[in-house]
Amino acid sequence: DVKVTQSSRYLVKRTGEKVFLECVQDMDHENMFWYRQDPGLGLRLIYFSYDVKMKEKGDIPEGYSVSREKKERFSLILESASTNQTSMYLCASSFSGFREYQETQYFGPGTRLLVL
Amino acid sequence: GIQVEQSPPDLILQEGANSTLRCNFSDSVNNLQWFHQNPWGQLINLFYIPSGTKQNGRLSATTVATERYSLLYISSSQTTDSGVYFCAVNAGGTSYGKLTFGQGTILTVHP
Repeated sequence: DVKVTQSSRYLVKRTGEKVFLECVQDMDHENMFWYRQDPGLGLRLIYFSYDVKMKEKGDIPEGYSVSREKKERFSLILESASTNQTSMYLCASSFSGFREYQETQYFGPGTRLLVL
Repeated sequence: GIQVEQSPPDLILQEGANSTLRCNFSDSVNNLQWFHQNPWGQLINLFYIPSGTKQNGRLSATTVATERYSLLYISSSQTTDSGVYFCAVNAGGTSYGKLTFGQGTILTVHP
């Protein structure tokens, strides 16, 4: 079974703190994704990575950065947390390619972040 | 970019009832997936269905790519079906698999 894990289920931080969210997958997937989920908005893509050290901006990258030093690990960084970054953060991974098994995304359990 | 709209936004059912969830998308897609998010936040892939029909137990899905919509059918609903159902699509030509999600349908099944 594919396993995607996230470092924390719940996190409380203060405004201005630097926040690290970590995601690890064990299926040797090339692609990894960070989404945020807010009520009524669905999931929105923040950043994704298609290889080690490679990254691309998603739809809402402002205020975030990412790091992928190893294939299995993808980190989301909030350089200076703000209250509008209070949200549910979800990590996902997949293979590269166009077949069903390659395009299917597998999600971690999510991190609920509260910024005070 | 591509737009994805799901309906209805909320759905309340009695156990045993059937339901149909709809997903409309604004452009041709090469990847469409349905997900279920349980009350604890975990998203599980239900179907990969860019076209055609698939069935898995009480759930089935149909995508009519030429008319740009997909339907998810839930028959004989159970309380464990509660949660949020998302449709997500990829219209790009790359192998990265970037998905655009709809806003979701919140399903509540009462015993």
